[in-house]
Amino acid sequence: NAGVTQTPKFQVLKTGQSMTLQCAQDMNHEYMSWYRQDPGMGLRLIHYSVGAGITDQGEVPNGYNVSRSTTEDFPLRLLSAAPSQTSVYFCASSYFGTGRNTEAFFGQGTRLTVV
Amino acid sequence: AQRVTQPEKLLSVFKGAPVELKCNYSYSGSPELFWYVQYSRQRLQLLLRHISRESIKGFTADLNKGETSFHLKKPFAQEEDSAMYYCALTTASKLTFGTGTRLQVTL
Repeated sequence: NAGVTQTPKFQVLKTGQSMTLQCAQDMNHEYMSWYRQDPGMGLRLIHYSVGAGITDQGEVPNGYNVSRSTTEDFPLRLLSAAPSQTSVYFCASSYFGTGRNTEAFFGQGTRLTVV
Repeated sequence: AQRVTQPEKLLSVFKGAPVELKCNYSYSGSPELFWYVQYSRQRLQLLLRHISRESIKGFTADLNKGETSFHLKKPFAQEEDSAMYYCALTTASKLTFGTGTRLQVTL
């Protein structure tokens, strides 16, 4: 059981470049989300999705785009990288809804540096 | 809006001392509360959840709806407890984390 697979582990981008962080889960979870982790700021929600075809913004969505064409995949796109986007990114998935096990499972993280 | 507050960024304790990591939440409905732990350069993983009322690695947490708190406690800290701890709130539509508390256990 692979769980949540996130790629790449490391990435260096130049300012203005674009890229896509991949996230896939094999647990048939409806809920998927992307967070960035910065020192002293904890985990901040970028975008989330409660099912295929449905996405919504979190607290720090600017500069990022997502889509959810399948239950399994939830890629995060950086449209034009900026140094302020240097961070560690985590993808997570879970079931959601009352009466269900809503434990979140995380990917291994992507350490992104924008120069 | 749902919110999770962890007032301490860093908590430093001696080995064998009691630990209490504070977590307060705001949500008008009935939330599910969790504690997640992140050891150095590893992914986050579930430590415990309020509905199971279990003790994991000696840690416990009790949901206090009156005070909207879900503090994490351990009677005797161990070196291997040093990690980043996140309190989290799940509702029907969103998972929200606090800013995290780094627990440092020293000899």
